[in-house]
Amino acid sequence: EDKVVQSPLSLVVHEGDTVTLNCSYEVTNFRSLLWYKQEKKAPTFLFMLTSSGIEKKSGRLSSILDKKELFSILNITATQTGDSAVYLCAAPNSGGSNYKLTFGKGTLLTVNP
Amino acid sequence: DTGVSQNPRHKITKRGQNVTFRCDPISEHNRLYWYRQTLGQGPEFLTYFQNEAQLEKSRLLSDRFSAERPKGSFSTLEIQRTEQGDSAMYLCASSPGQRAFFGQGTRLTVV
Repeated sequence: EDKVVQSPLSLVVHEGDTVTLNCSYEVTNFRSLLWYKQEKKAPTFLFMLTSSGIEKKSGRLSSILDKKELFSILNITATQTGDSAVYLCAAPNSGGSNYKLTFGKGTLLTVNP
Repeated sequence: DTGVSQNPRHKITKRGQNVTFRCDPISEHNRLYWYRQTLGQGPEFLTYFQNEAQLEKSRLLSDRFSAERPKGSFSTLEIQRTEQGDSAMYLCASSPGQRAFFGQGTRLTVV
């Protein structure tokens, strides 16, 4: 059974801090790893990672995948209060056309002013 | 708005009642998923449709739950004889591939 584990489960920082969120996975026939941000309702897509060592960036957010060690990190630099959210890591199902996602429990990030 | 749409956004129901939720996916996506999310947990997979065919159901989906996707467009999720343990956020997602696009969810409270 596929498994995704995130750490820490919660984190409180001050505006301007840099944070690193961790995601480890055990997935048969790995295809990709996805990061989502969930504020109050719908998870919104951040990154999809398929190759080791290639950093993906979007503004102050970046993410990288290590397929040898089976983990990914999500970095947020110069955090703002608007970054407060749950960050979810997920891996798609390994077989066929069903890309159902196995999610971690998420990291609850609180950014204080 | 061409995103995934779910209705209703909130539903409060008494234990034992039946409820039905609706999901309108992004029109060109043939894959549709239902997930359930409880407090402090990530979403958990419930069921998967490819076009109108329901191809996988999680063992989380008891026989009180049924989902349909007639004509491969919108989908409905029905819960019969609701129990307090059914209280959760029910999320619908559609996708053309590995990246899933989520709706706002329906928050169900069973009292």
